[in-house]
Amino acid sequence: DGGITQSPKYLFRKEGQNVTLSCEQNLNHDAMYWYRQDPGQGLRLIYYSQIVNDFQKGDIAEGYSVSREKKESFPLTVTSAQKNPTAFYLCASSPPGIDTQYFGPGTRLTVL
Amino acid sequence: GENVEQHPSTLSVQEGDSAVIKCTYSDSASNYFPWYKQELGKGPQLIIDIRSNVGEKKDQRIAVTLNKTAKHFSLHITETQPEDSAVYFCAASRLGGGATNKLIFGTGTLLAVQP
Repeated sequence: DGGITQSPKYLFRKEGQNVTLSCEQNLNHDAMYWYRQDPGQGLRLIYYSQIVNDFQKGDIAEGYSVSREKKESFPLTVTSAQKNPTAFYLCASSPPGIDTQYFGPGTRLTVL
Repeated sequence: GENVEQHPSTLSVQEGDSAVIKCTYSDSASNYFPWYKQELGKGPQLIIDIRSNVGEKKDQRIAVTLNKTAKHFSLHITETQPEDSAVYFCAASRLGGGATNKLIFGTGTLLAVQP
């Protein structure tokens, strides 16, 4: 069963703690992306990666970090430096040579 | 910077009526325009896209039109059904020369189809 998976679906974190969100795809896509979604706003790009071991900052990278050690995986760490981390986080990926992005189901992070 | 404006923010229609959502983009070099449907608590799902070399594309009850001169594009849904109720996002990006497809999203339209 192919697709993009994100885990967990809901995540609660205490203020001051780092937390890592998982994103996995078995579609053989090269590019992967992380977006943040807040109520009443569009999706904003946090980080993206075109190939393994390479990634670039998006528009709102401050307080976040990523890694791309495997083609299938692109985890996002929300650090304690992120001042307003409560949001819905979406991961996406694109096939080689194709511009269309396909999204995972998302992770809702709540900071208590 | 690059910007995509989307209108209206909410839209309520009767079942069977048509719905139109409009977006305007600022980057004249944009050449790819996807539309996504997002149901509550789920990730966005691509429903249709259009590239700048065509003016219109249809897929059953859904169509997208593009006016490059005016830098705007629209989503048209005909014969709306209650299951069409969702938030719809437009996006724009510029491709070429191996550049990553960085999508700029509109702020979304909440479509409610009344039975």
